[in-house]
Amino acid sequence: GAGVSQSPSNKVTEKGKDVELRCDPISGHTALYWYRQSLGQGLEFLIYFQGNSAPDKSGLPSDRFSAERTGGSVSTLTIQRTQQEDSAVYLCASSPIKVVAGYYNEQFFGPGTRLTVL
Amino acid sequence: GNSVTQMEGPVTLSEEAFLTINCTYTATGYPSLFWYVQYPGEGLQLLLKATKADDKGSNKGFEATYRKETTSFHLEKGSVQVSDSAVYFCALRVVGNEKLTFGTGTRLTIIP
Repeated sequence: GAGVSQSPSNKVTEKGKDVELRCDPISGHTALYWYRQSLGQGLEFLIYFQGNSAPDKSGLPSDRFSAERTGGSVSTLTIQRTQQEDSAVYLCASSPIKVVAGYYNEQFFGPGTRLTVL
Repeated sequence: GNSVTQMEGPVTLSEEAFLTINCTYTATGYPSLFWYVQYPGEGLQLLLKATKADDKGSNKGFEATYRKETTSFHLEKGSVQVSDSAVYFCALRVVGNEKLTFGTGTRLTIIP
């Protein structure tokens, strides 16, 4: 079946502009995650959605970052007033969630969106 | 808090060499441990995992043993191939929290 898809694959923007990054998770996966991969910082968790629960936003670096997940499927990560330090690869992942002791809910990653802020 | 420290790269080896990539962790709670791999032009993939102390994860000739006493999860392979060239990430997840905490990644290049 289809994997996690992300769009656009590349985005170049000017400092101060807003950008929207899209993630289409694997059908049926109830959990969705956003991570950021940047030079010198490695892979950082940003936000996690699970079903109808309130999202875990503990990884968002500032209030310029926000994310939505509509209808429990597609998610959009929005960065307002972009800064050069926002340049990174933004990764989305999804997983099925089974609440079973000892079961690991593997996260499946998309190819990422490379964001460059000039 | 939770953190993962892995050896700095890049690492360059000849084909058929022995590989070790070190990974140590700190965690609040009991973590599960993972190695993810990112091949050139591809997305992150789970390589192997271990969910409790002394477990050994293995896949594609790679192995890693969960060592609670040394808080380590070193990745090893006895004979690397050119196709193993990739970036490797060590990661952990604490029970009750689905998010992954990653190391900074180690770029591995295998030369023929």
